[in-house]
Amino acid sequence: DVKVTQSSRYLVKRTGEKVFLECVQDMDHENMFWYRQDPGLGLRLIYFSYDVKMKEKGDIPEGYSVSREKKERFSLILESASTNQTSMYLCASSFQFGSPLHFGNGTRLTVT
Amino acid sequence: QQQVKQSPQSLIVQKGGISIINCAYENTAFDYFPWYQQFPGKGPALLIAIRPDVSEKKEGRFTISFNKSAKQFSLHIMDSQPGDSATYFCAASKNTGNQFYFGTGTSLTVIP
Repeated sequence: DVKVTQSSRYLVKRTGEKVFLECVQDMDHENMFWYRQDPGLGLRLIYFSYDVKMKEKGDIPEGYSVSREKKERFSLILESASTNQTSMYLCASSFQFGSPLHFGNGTRLTVT
Repeated sequence: QQQVKQSPQSLIVQKGGISIINCAYENTAFDYFPWYQQFPGKGPALLIAIRPDVSEKKEGRFTISFNKSAKQFSLHIMDSQPGDSATYFCAASKNTGNQFYFGTGTSLTVIP
């Protein structure tokens, strides 16, 4: 079974802090994704990566950056956290494009 | 712009009843339509998926009906059980594409 592990279940940060959300997958998947989940808005893609050091913007990349130094690890970075980034963040991976997504259990981030 | 529109936002069904969730899309290039199920505190997990070469796919109590001409697809849960209470997301992607487009989610409650 594919396992996607997000390092933190809950995070509380202050406005202006730099925030790192970490995600690790154990199935040697090529693709990794960061989504944001908000009530009534569904899942929105922030960034994705199709190879080490490769990244592409999704639908809502503003205020975020990502890092993929190793195939199994994909980090989401909030350079200067703001209250409107309070949300549930979901990491996912897939074997290849068009393959099903496998999600982690999410990190609920609160920015005060 | 919502690429995939999902309704209803919430649904309450009696145990043993049929739950129906509907989705519509515009992009005729989409050729993979998964449904994800999400329990509280967990990430979404793939429930069932369909490709447009068939009009229906059934797995146990879960059935996807697909209408290519109307650009609509729906999830039917037969004999709904309290354990089916969860949030359901429809999604669409291109087989060679790098992005899934999600609906806004349906919160299903099955009353005993």
